[in-house]
Amino acid sequence: NAGVTQTPKFRVLKTGQSMTLLCAQDMNHEYMYWYRQDPGMGLRLIHYSVGEGTTAKGEVPDGYNVSRLKKQNFLLGLESAAPSQTSVYFCASNRPQKTVNTEAFFGQGTRLTVV
Amino acid sequence: AQSVTQLGSHVSVSEGALVLLRCNYSSSVPPYLFWYVQYPNQGLQLLLKYTTGATLVKGINGFEAEFKKSETSFHLTKPSAHMSDAAEYFCAVSLTLIGNKLTFGTGTQLKVEL
Repeated sequence: NAGVTQTPKFRVLKTGQSMTLLCAQDMNHEYMYWYRQDPGMGLRLIHYSVGEGTTAKGEVPDGYNVSRLKKQNFLLGLESAAPSQTSVYFCASNRPQKTVNTEAFFGQGTRLTVV
Repeated sequence: AQSVTQLGSHVSVSEGALVLLRCNYSSSVPPYLFWYVQYPNQGLQLLLKYTTGATLVKGINGFEAEFKKSETSFHLTKPSAHMSDAAEYFCAVSLTLIGNKLTFGTGTQLKVEL
């Protein structure tokens, strides 16, 4: 049972380059999220999705785009990378329930450096 | 809007000593509260959560937390620290019943010394 898998695990980009981070979950979860983690700032929500074909902005969406073409995959794109996007990116997923807030499962993270 | 404040970005304890990591939240409605742990170069793992009901919540690895509405706190404790507890701990709050848009604190790095 793989859970939440992120690829790649590490990447170095030059300023202005583009790339896509892939998140895949095998738990049939409806909800998926992309966070970035920066020292002293905790995790901040970039974008999220409540189902296949839907996406929404989080706390820090600028400079990123996302797509959820398949329920199990959530892609995070950087069209023109900037040094300020150097961070560790985490994907998470969970299944909504009506009466309780369910646990979010996290991937291992992608360490991105923009030079 | 919701927010979380973790007091102390670094906490150091001796092995066998009490662990106390502080978390205060701000919320206009009853919150759902979580503690996550992150070991080096890994993702976040849920330690425990409070949704409704009993205010003292027990989690994995001997950790527990108490929801105190009057103090808007959800401090994490463990009676006796172990070397393997060294990690970064995040408190998080969510207001939504459906979905899980977590707002995280800035984290507390726990160091356990011999």
